[in-house]
Amino acid sequence: KNEVEQSPQNLTAQEGEFITINCSYSVGISALHWLQQHPGGGIVSLFMLSSGKKKHGRLIATINIQEKHSSLHITASHPRDSAVYICAALTGTASKLTFGTGTRLQVTL
Amino acid sequence: DTAVSQTPKYLVTQMGNDKSIKCEQNLGHDTMYWYKQDSKKFLKIMFSYNNKELIINETVPNRFSPKSPDKAHLNLHINSLELGDSAVYFCASSQDSGHGYTFGSGTRLTVV
Repeated sequence: KNEVEQSPQNLTAQEGEFITINCSYSVGISALHWLQQHPGGGIVSLFMLSSGKKKHGRLIATINIQEKHSSLHITASHPRDSAVYICAALTGTASKLTFGTGTRLQVTL
Repeated sequence: DTAVSQTPKYLVTQMGNDKSIKCEQNLGHDTMYWYKQDSKKFLKIMFSYNNKELIINETVPNRFSPKSPDKAHLNLHINSLELGDSAVYFCASSQDSGHGYTFGSGTRLTVV
């Protein structure tokens, strides 16, 4: 069993839909990252959060430290949001990332 | 200016060869990393350096040797390449706190 679990693995949505991706972790963390990997392969950090909620444009990330759970929401989804979304737990003093298996999101017109 | 740059972007080589991947960051970060993304797209840490010192070596075969000549550079040298080494290798850097995590664009290594 992975230390960081994501669901769903694959997600197809129509343009405009509200999307939620979930992440649960079993390790102690100092923070959690949400990453986006586009088909071209590059990885971008969307959020780093250690408590509460963060918002950037149409993206919202929340974390519940007690329940060891985080969610990434996308409002008014658009085909350009199609990508793999990965949650990653920041652990230890060395700031290493332990990754979930990713959620492949496809947004269609 | 690219914040974390890796070269080469693609590398095709024969089994048994030795190859290097270079990484440079211009963000002033103290910590740099190598991650491996396998064929199932799963990412896993290989190494981490803080200010030129190795701080994480995550049970990687000793055919893999990272080298950090200064805190802006972290290179990865691989000896005696095997088919199973085929993957995408990502360099990354961050502040000590884990803030500002920035990834390079990846190096797709194919061993034939």
